[in-house]
Amino acid sequence: DQQVKQNSPSLSVQEGRISILNCDYTNSMFDYFLWYKKYPAEGPTFLISISSIKDKNEDGRFTVFLNKSAKHLSLHIVPSQPGDSAVYFCAASAGNYGQNFVFGPGTRLSVLP
Amino acid sequence: NAGVMQNPRHLVRRRGQEARLRCSPMKGHSHVYWYRQLPEEGLKFMVYLQKENIIDESGMPKERFSAEFPKEGPSILRIQQVVRGDSAAYFCASSPGQGVRGETQYFGPGTRLLVL
Repeated sequence: DQQVKQNSPSLSVQEGRISILNCDYTNSMFDYFLWYKKYPAEGPTFLISISSIKDKNEDGRFTVFLNKSAKHLSLHIVPSQPGDSAVYFCAASAGNYGQNFVFGPGTRLSVLP
Repeated sequence: NAGVMQNPRHLVRRRGQEARLRCSPMKGHSHVYWYRQLPEEGLKFMVYLQKENIIDESGMPKERFSAEFPKEGPSILRIQQVVRGDSAAYFCASSPGQGVRGETQYFGPGTRLLVL
């Protein structure tokens, strides 16, 4: 049973437009969420995180929104750039220490010039 | 390079052989995590270690897999008697271990294991 779901395997966006990547989770104990970006043949790179006490966190072109009642979070990239083309993983953690991250299957973003 | 180092980057083994994957955490990091990524899937947590201690191995298969993080040297993920289903990318991550809630994990480039 997948606790973290990313229902869109892929997404294509025009350069300069907004990219919206979605993530849903089922475990109500999750209280910390992260987004990682991964290029081919490299390890995932941390992008942005959000705690469940917030509903929004912003870092430059990246904004993560959290809707706890819907168990849904999204990553917005504005404006999208060709270098943003990668696989994006949503991850969640729970528990006192929360070091065990549960990852979604990823969404492959292609930003077209 | 002050990042997480993993070696080898690629490893080919025949069924029944042993695979040893190494991970050197970022300088100053005392926590190490191992994840496995099967084709077309996300990363799956395997084990979380601190120096000389296994903290959480809930994601590790009960047989054939073991991990260690000795006082000196890299963390080792060991897979005995490999089978074709072990073919995957294995990623190591490290974190400072300062007790910060959900502190960021920094990933290495991964080891791609192919079992023939």
